Amino acid sequence: GAVVSQHPSWVICKSGTSVKIECRSLDFQATTMFWYRQFPKQSLMLMATSNEGSKATYEQGVEKDKFLINHASLTLSTLTVTSAHPEDSSFYICSATGLAGGAAYNEQFFGPGTRLTVL
Amino acid sequence: EDQVTQSPEALRLQEGESSSLNCSYTVSGLRGLFWYRQDPGKGPEFLFTLYSAGEEKEKERLKATLTKKESFLHITAPKPEDSATYLCAVLSGNTGKLIFGQGTTLQVKP
Repeated sequence: GAVVSQHPSWVICKSGTSVKIECRSLDFQATTMFWYRQFPKQSLMLMATSNEGSKATYEQGVEKDKFLINHASLTLSTLTVTSAHPEDSSFYICSATGLAGGAAYNEQFFGPGTRLTVL
Repeated sequence: EDQVTQSPEALRLQEGESSSLNCSYTVSGLRGLFWYRQDPGKGPEFLFTLYSAGEEKEKERLKATLTKKESFLHITAPKPEDSATYLCAVLSGNTGKLIFGQGTTLQVKP
């Protein structure tokens, strides 16, 4: 149980274009989803937190107009990187927590990550 | 300020050589301490949750323990497939956020 998927697993795009990354909880209701960014040999950096049906809360220093987050259902959140530039190249990972069988998780379950390369 | 520090940064072991990874933390209102395993190019894989001092959890060759200030991940007779980065994180009761340590990269040689 507690499986989170991400799509795509990797994407290469040209500078100035937008890229959408999907995060899905496959076997539980994800009431809260998180988006992280990870640079090589560094730990995870939280970008934003989103609750289903609400606007995302962004961490300090994260541009909300550049990283658009939508959490429209209990199983799907999307991150859109708008007008991507080479400095946006990174490993993006989503995680989710929520309900399964009526019980609430404390744990966050992570997706496999999306490698974004902006040329 | 909520903070998590892991040591050592890197650890090389021979197959079968047991050792421990350390996670020291300061947090406002601990709501849980979590251990994850991360393989290169993958997302973190959940291992354990610990809630209170004295609690222990085991899974195969791994055993996690918790005190009021730190947690240990003991690896008994490791195998090469245990090679990965092990991340420790605490859930802050103050912010509701998961605070990660920098990780310990473990390499087990056959």
